[in-house]
Amino acid sequence: EPEVTQTPSHQVTQMGQEVILRCVPISNHLYFYWYRQILGQKVEFLVSFYNNEISEKSEIFDDQFSVERPDGSNFTLKIRSTKLEDSAMYFCASISTSADQETQYFGPGTRLLVL
Amino acid sequence: AQSVTQPDIHITVSEGASLELRCNYSYGATPYLFWYVQSPGQGLQLLLKYFSGDTLVQGIKGFEAEFKRSQSSFNLRKPSVHWSDAAEYFCAVGADSGAGSYQLTFGKGTKLSVIP
Repeated sequence: EPEVTQTPSHQVTQMGQEVILRCVPISNHLYFYWYRQILGQKVEFLVSFYNNEISEKSEIFDDQFSVERPDGSNFTLKIRSTKLEDSAMYFCASISTSADQETQYFGPGTRLLVL
Repeated sequence: AQSVTQPDIHITVSEGASLELRCNYSYGATPYLFWYVQSPGQGLQLLLKYFSGDTLVQGIKGFEAEFKRSQSSFNLRKPSVHWSDAAEYFCAVGADSGAGSYQLTFGKGTKLSVIP
């Protein structure tokens, strides 16, 4: 069964450093999402992406964040200058060609720790 | 803005007992509703979903949920819990963003413990 994959599974970085989290969505999917889950808290929407542009973003998704689909398979989330409060689990999700009545499939997540 | 409330932070049940996890949502239109399960250190696995039609939906692992519009609820049920069901359960509502997709708003989750 096709699945969403994410790399790395864990990343530790120093405050102020840039990190790039990578996701490979399911191959025929065209809508992509990033969510995050701070330890012990609920999963929060960050951004959605379609047709090579952001379709919606939350207030969490400030200028420190960016997303990109650099090739036909990868979907990345970049945090330019990490802060302690960026420590969280980051989930990528994707939906197939028709977003209506489709399911968002989630990847296993990347646990980011900012020191 | 949409919101989801899961009033029970932690529930403990005995193996073989029945289970009901509560979920209430707030959304102006007909929502898309979901239940996801997360085992420790793992990602989110979809248990079931409701978009329209029959308000009683069946999911994987023997779970079911019922959409009650009058109560703005989407409670998850299982008639007989297995030890492997111990995990955290998240209810989510999908709000149409008008951009051809929807974003999910999650509840805070209910942690389920199962006593052998």
